[in-house]
Order: sequence, then structure tokens, then C-alpha cells
Amino acid sequence: GESVGLHLPTLSVQEGDNSIINCAYSNSASDYFIWYKQESGKGPQFIIDIRSNMDKRQGQRVTVLLNKTVKHLSLQIAATQPGDSAVYFCAEASGFKTIFGAGTRLFVKA
Amino acid sequence: DAGVTQSPTHLIKTRGQQVTLRCSPKSGHDTVSWYQQALGQGPQFIFQYYEEEERQRGNFPDRFSGHQFPNYSSELNVNALLLGDSALYLCASSDTGTAIRAFFGQGTRLTVV
Repeated sequence: GESVGLHLPTLSVQEGDNSIINCAYSNSASDYFIWYKQESGKGPQFIIDIRSNMDKRQGQRVTVLLNKTVKHLSLQIAATQPGDSAVYFCAEASGFKTIFGAGTRLFVKA
Repeated sequence: DAGVTQSPTHLIKTRGQQVTLRCSPKSGHDTVSWYQQALGQGPQFIFQYYEEEERQRGNFPDRFSGHQFPNYSSELNVNALLLGDSALYLCASSDTGTAIRAFFGQGTRLTVV
């Protein structure tokens, strides 16, 4: 069936370091891959997306990498800050449907 | 811009009852999607509404139904509530006619007792 999974349920990084959050997906037909951030008590917040015909896209302090050969997606956060502490979800969009993974909790140590 | 607003924020219902959740999309958005998020899990797609019609549906039973109004706001209805329906229900709106780059509301926390 369709699934988007994650390699690590939790990630702890030192403030100022770079963070890398990984994700595996199974549906090769997805059009877009998306990263969302969810803080406690809030809905998911869009971070960045990447179209399936691309392998890298950069935003402000974030970079998403897509490796279609091994069906792997990653989110890199540069100079991680305390405000980056949250649960991060990868998701894949196919048609009008978005499938979310289970999430990775990022802890930023001061 | 108020963003996506959902009401109510919290709700407690008894098993077997029916519930209606409401969502107002972000200004300028015409597409509304609903998700169910169980504790500690990722959101699960319920369905999407566009031009007042359900355009795509996830793996949810017919007890889950919805509606979109001409002003693009939307309702999610759940009949014959089960204990397992307890979750955070999220509404997301977008302006692309898909679900990409969607803006989410803060959700409605439904507890079924």
C-alpha cells in the first residue's frame, strides 16, 4: 500500500549545528514531495516542497534532497535554532491526495 | 489575513453521536482538505473539496462526509461516532486546486467517550 516512512523517530542536535531529517517513500508516481513542521498545539506548517523531476531545492536555511533511485527524501536545516524544535513530517502528493509519514521529533539543545 | 480557522477547538462527544466540524479557508483559497491526526502519528487524508464537490477520498468509511459552501468554507460530519474517532481533525486550504503548499488550521480536538 501507499506509505511514507521515516528513518528516525527523534533527532537531537546542538544549537548552531546542521540537522538532517530523513524519509523513505514508496509511491514512485508522486508528483511532489513536501516537508511540514508541526509545533505543539498547532497545525502543520509548510516548509518546502520539491517536484518529482528535481533532485534538490533550497529555501531559507533549508534544503530538500530527493533521491528517486532509492526513494529517499531528506530535509537539511542549516544553523539549527531553538525555534526549529518541532515534529517534522515528510509527505508526498499524488493527484489531489497528500500522504504523510509518522514524523520525526527534532530537539535543539542550547 | 486570518489564515485557516477551525471551530470548535475542542469537542467531547459520546459514542454513537454525530459531530460537525467547521473550517474557513485562507483568503483566496478555493480548495479544502480534511485530515485526521491520531496522537503521535502523521495526518491521514480524509477527503478534499473543490468547487463544492468531493474530489478525492482517503480510506475512511462513509460515516465521514463533508460539504463545501459557495464561499469555500467547509464542514466535516462524522456519524455514529466510535471511540477510535478521537483525534485531532485538521483542515487545510490551498489555491492550486491540489493539496500542495497547503495552509493548515490549528485543528479541532475531538474526544469520544
